Amino acid sequence: DAGVTQSPTHLIKTRGQHVTLRCSPISGHKSVSWYQQVLGQGPQFIFQYYEKEERGRGNFPDRFSARQFPNYSSELNVNALLLGDSALYLCASSPRGGDRTTEAFFGQGTRLTVV
Amino acid sequence: QKEVEQDPGPLSVPEGAIVSLNCTYSNSAFQYFMWYRQYSRKGPELLMYTYSSGNKEDGRFTAQVDKSSKYISLFIRDSQPSDSATYLCAMSGPNYGGSQGNLIFGKGTKLSVKP
Repeated sequence: DAGVTQSPTHLIKTRGQHVTLRCSPISGHKSVSWYQQVLGQGPQFIFQYYEKEERGRGNFPDRFSARQFPNYSSELNVNALLLGDSALYLCASSPRGGDRTTEAFFGQGTRLTVV
Repeated sequence: QKEVEQDPGPLSVPEGAIVSLNCTYSNSAFQYFMWYRQYSRKGPELLMYTYSSGNKEDGRFTAQVDKSSKYISLFIRDSQPSDSATYLCAMSGPNYGGSQGNLIFGKGTKLSVKP
């Protein structure tokens, strides 16, 4: 079975640009969460989508947005990129979501560098 | 006080040693507890998942949760050089902080197993 797949694997953007990151969950999983991980820190929660609805949002500015498609894949969008947005962006797939979220399985991540 | 505390290490042990990794937490609402292994520049890999207090064993790995002390542990028996990685604890609870699906991570402990 395919695990969580993310694209692209690496990305370099200029300050002020916009970026779109993509994620396909494990087959049969209906929940996708996004996390940001900066060097030396644990992942920080950005969003969770379950059954195509936003179920959770972390403490990130409105420049960050996401959506989930009918096939449960997801996109994370970041506008007006800042140098501080440079990080590993992780997508996590769970069989259930909302207040029934349990274990989460992560993809390999997209490493975003903002210059 | 951070919600989840984890000693970042680094921790260096000889091959074959028993490794003990720990996290403490402050929020009694947490009910689900996970341990992840993360190799350099890769996504976290789920090792163990436990619900509430108790022990769980899987091969060389044992996870313990003591909710009364707000303390969780991961033990690795017969450690191997291939176990060298960063180990992250993570936890969640129903509608934690008003944001569903939010996993709270420790900073991670960097483990090195020397041949």
